[in-house]
Amino acid sequence: GDSVTQMEGPVTLSEEAFLTINCTYTATGYPSLFWYVQYPGEGLQLLLKATKADDKGSNKGFEATYRKETTSFHLEKGSVQVSDSAVYFCALSEEYGNKLVFGAGTILRVKS
Amino acid sequence: SAVISQKPSRDICQRGTSLTIQCQVDSQVTMMFWYRQQPGQSLTLIATANQGSEATYESGFVIDKFPISRPNLTFSTLTVSNMSPEDSSIYLCSVRDRGAHYEQYFGPGTRLTVT
Repeated sequence: GDSVTQMEGPVTLSEEAFLTINCTYTATGYPSLFWYVQYPGEGLQLLLKATKADDKGSNKGFEATYRKETTSFHLEKGSVQVSDSAVYFCALSEEYGNKLVFGAGTILRVKS
Repeated sequence: SAVISQKPSRDICQRGTSLTIQCQVDSQVTMMFWYRQQPGQSLTLIATANQGSEATYESGFVIDKFPISRPNLTFSTLTVSNMSPEDSSIYLCSVRDRGAHYEQYFGPGTRLTVT
């Protein structure tokens, strides 16, 4: 079945550092790809999405590009802030499907 | 995007009892989903709830343990039955907006502790 693999955390960065969280996927067909963020004590928020190859999703300074050739959707941000500390989940939605498949999540800690 | 609320936000329950979690959406949606997030883990889909039909359960989840109701297009409940400490998790409902390209929006979650 479809699956998502994320880099293990926690990732600890200093404020204003560059962030990359790797995400690769296995899927049949052409899934849609998502990054969700979960701040401490809260539910999941959709951060960004990409629905076809070479699409770039972006929001709040975060970006991710749908790379079909490498089956990847890595999350990047040029300059992280303490307020970005959260758990980040990569997910896919099967083509023509209803189900979201999530990666294990990556904890990000940003120090001031 | 839809605004989703859940009740209760958290609860502590005794082993062997049941808890019903409510999910309310501020607009009509076709598809609602229930997920479980065990401590320190990712999300696992329990079931998909469509109005007017039986819920569809994922492998490893059964209706007797997690009965679901979907009486209309804005509301659903999930019951966790005959609870054990292993059921301690965050339970989240989500919806897929009409016209949305497969993205789902999540409620704030219900944090359940079973003692």
